[in-house]
Amino acid sequence: GIQVEQSPPDLILQEGANSTLRCNFSDSVNNLQWFHQNPWGQLINLFYIPSGTKQNGRLSATTVATERYSLLYISSSQTTDSGVYFCAVHFSGYALNFGKGTSLLVTP
Amino acid sequence: DAGVTQSPTHLIKTRGQQVTLRCSPKSGHDTVSWYQQALGQGPQFIFQYYEEEERQRGNFPDRFSGHQFPNYSSELNVNALLLGDSALYLCASSYGAEAFFGQGTRLTVV
Repeated sequence: GIQVEQSPPDLILQEGANSTLRCNFSDSVNNLQWFHQNPWGQLINLFYIPSGTKQNGRLSATTVATERYSLLYISSSQTTDSGVYFCAVHFSGYALNFGKGTSLLVTP
Repeated sequence: DAGVTQSPTHLIKTRGQQVTLRCSPKSGHDTVSWYQQALGQGPQFIFQYYEEEERQRGNFPDRFSGHQFPNYSSELNVNALLLGDSALYLCASSYGAEAFFGQGTRLTVV
């Protein structure tokens, strides 16, 4: 069936460190988005990236659709980066299928 | 631009009751989707509304129903609440492929 797998499930970093979060998906996708869920539950859009590479400040993302994976890079992490990062994909139809997320804690 | 807004933010209901959650989409968006997020899990798709019709439904029972109004706002109704319906309910709006989410409604069923 449709699968979206994220790794690692948990990550603890010291402030200033870099990290890479991975999302593997089981089929070709029409859409892929990365979100950051803050402690209050809101999903914040980071990237809409069905293919290619994008950068926004300290964050960047790359999706290699032919190999069915996407990577989210966080550089020079800050405590405000803490939270849960979700990858979500459209395979077919209109539903976004979410992974289980990567829980990130950045310590001072 | 107000973004996607949901109301209420928190709600406590008793088992067996009915609840209505509301969502106003981002300006210019015509499509609204609803998701349920249990603690520690990723959001699960409930259904999507476009042009006031349910366009796609996820694996949720008929107790979950919805509506979209001519101004594109939407309601999610849940009947005969169960303890297991306690979750964060998220609304997303879109015009095209990219979805934007509201802050959610946290429902607790006691």
